[in-house]
Amino acid sequence: QSVLTQPPSASATPGQRVTISCSGSSSNIGRNIVNWYQWRPGTAPKLLIYSNDQWPSGVPDRFSGSKSGTSASLAISGLQSEDEADYFCVTWDDSLNGYVFGTGTKVTAL
Amino acid sequence: EVQLVESGGGLVKPGGSLRLSCAASGFTFISAWMGWVRQAPGKGLEWVGRIRGKMDGETTEYAAPVKGRFTISRDDSKNTVHLQMDSLKIEDTAVYYCTFEKVLIDSWGQGTLVTVSS
Repeated sequence: QSVLTQPPSASATPGQRVTISCSGSSSNIGRNIVNWYQWRPGTAPKLLIYSNDQWPSGVPDRFSGSKSGTSASLAISGLQSEDEADYFCVTWDDSLNGYVFGTGTKVTAL
Repeated sequence: EVQLVESGGGLVKPGGSLRLSCAASGFTFISAWMGWVRQAPGKGLEWVGRIRGKMDGETTEYAAPVKGRFTISRDDSKNTVHLQMDSLKIEDTAVYYCTFEKVLIDSWGQGTLVTVSS
């Protein structure tokens, strides 16, 4: 049921950069802002990026977001072992009149 | 710090009802838009619905699969939002997460499991 497509996995060695894509359509990402979340097992999802490229208080600027057309991206610079988690995107869909979610990407530090 | 704590999950038979609650703290609840998201076993996240704050008329919106069966309400005196689930189906089996909206979804609870099975 996930409307937004993400790669199932992404990895990099510690210190390197990893990028995660979130592909949508004109009715969702193409018209609305995107948030990104980090989700570790047994915990609640944590807001990492809001409104495409903004940082909530307390989130390190190693995490950055961007949006272009019907796609969005999350980049993690200087990957750390503690960054190992699932990451997903969220936006509003004007056709479905509801939130839609990414399929989720598992990030691994090699 | 925003905290959302869900309760009320459990096992229910098809056709039955269940009421979930979410106790909120750490923000001004009366004006907050609150929602519910679910994740069925092995599936992705699915939006269930939301309720606007008092100043926005406490109006509700629902996803198509639950419209007419689920009702979201709020008790501003107790900083609590409820999800009343009626006519439950096997496919409603999921972990249900309470959400707080600021810029889209801001915060999530840890979820409560609802199992619909005979």
